[in-house]
Amino acid sequence: AQSVSQHNHHVILSEAASLELGCNYSYGGTVNLFWYVQYPGQHLQLLLKYFSGDPLVKGIKGFEAEFIKSKFSFNLRKPSVQWSDTAEYFCAVKPAGAYNTDKLIFGTGTRLQVFP
Amino acid sequence: DAGVIQSPRHEVTEMGQEVTLRCKPISGHNSLFWYRQTMMRGLELLIYFNNNVPIDDSGMPEDRFSAKMPNASFSTLKIQPSEPRDSAVYFCASSLAPSRQQFFGSGTRLTVV
Repeated sequence: AQSVSQHNHHVILSEAASLELGCNYSYGGTVNLFWYVQYPGQHLQLLLKYFSGDPLVKGIKGFEAEFIKSKFSFNLRKPSVQWSDTAEYFCAVKPAGAYNTDKLIFGTGTRLQVFP
Repeated sequence: DAGVIQSPRHEVTEMGQEVTLRCKPISGHNSLFWYRQTMMRGLELLIYFNNNVPIDDSGMPEDRFSAKMPNASFSTLKIQPSEPRDSAVYFCASSLAPSRQQFFGSGTRLTVV
């Protein structure tokens, strides 16, 4: 069965530190990949997504993610975090395909706390 | 439970016509998602709602596309006017909450000629 692993459950950083959140998935075929963010008291928002093409994807708010097919990974990065980046981050994977109706699979999330 | 119900299953329409796709989420689910799937682009999230409120519509390709959720048990995706490049399979999904697992409908295959 497909699964998504986010190994960092809780990350604590100071402002201006660099961020990298890990995401690994298990699926042998083509996938669509997503990162979502949930700010305190708010709902999920899409940060970025990858379908095909350039494996380095730029998202909103200075985030980017790199798809490394050989490692089944889609790690999220930001060079310099801000206090306002404090949130929970979810990686999601969906097998691609014209008639594929499998569910979108989410990781368990990584809680990021940024201190000023 | 009947699952997520989409209608129609197939729609063929002429370019320029208005198309309305319908979705009934699973009862009790608070989040509803509209996706488009094509051979070229795979599955794309168009928009999602939480508690009937649109949260993220950044995936909506153009102003010709609009989505509404007038109540917790019904949503529509409208394309006006439709174009041949809109031909795709449109999926609706629902979940208990935005971060929870999503359950997909069987999709609407749209062909615009």
